[in-house]
Amino acid sequence: DQQVKQNSPSLSVQEGRISILNCDYTNSMFDYFLWYKKYPAEGPTFLISISSIKDKNEDGRFTVFLNKSAKHLSLHIVPSQPGDSAVYFCAAAGGGADGLTFGKGTHLIIQP
Amino acid sequence: NAGVTQTPKFRVLKTGQSMTLLCAQDMNHEYMYWYRQDPGMGLRLIHYSVGEGTTAKGEVPDGYNVSRLKKQNFLLGLESAAPSQTSVYFCASSTLSGVGTDTQYFGPGTRLTVL
Repeated sequence: DQQVKQNSPSLSVQEGRISILNCDYTNSMFDYFLWYKKYPAEGPTFLISISSIKDKNEDGRFTVFLNKSAKHLSLHIVPSQPGDSAVYFCAAAGGGADGLTFGKGTHLIIQP
Repeated sequence: NAGVTQTPKFRVLKTGQSMTLLCAQDMNHEYMYWYRQDPGMGLRLIHYSVGEGTTAKGEVPDGYNVSRLKKQNFLLGLESAAPSQTSVYFCASSTLSGVGTDTQYFGPGTRLTVL
């Protein structure tokens, strides 16, 4: 049973617009959430995180929102740039799980 | 400061062969992890270590063994490789205490093919 779900395998956004990537989770005991960015043939790179005691965390162009009641988080990228084209993984920590629990990823494509 | 490095980058094995993947980190992190990523899947935890001399099983440990003899190194072994172990393997590390202890830093990956 997948505990972290990213239901959009891919997303295409025009350069300069907002990119919104979504993630849902089922384990209410998760207490820390992270977003990773991955380019082909490279390892995942940490992007931004949020603790379950917050509902928003911002870092430059990247903002993560957490809705605990809906068990949903989203990553907003504004404005989107060509270098943002990558696969984005949502991950969760805690909940009795060892390590991080990852979603399957969303391939973001920024179109010029 | 190289972060997390992995050796080798690529490897092709025949069924039944053995090999060891090496992970090294220079961030003085206590925790180290091995994940595998298969096409269309997220990363899945194989084994992890919370300190030198300790190891524990993750979500998909069967067919793998690990050792953490030195704090900076974490080895992943395949004793008898099977085609189902064809995957990309990622090593990660994280710190023990303080803010962001769950943030893991990943190596570049090892692409393993078992024929």
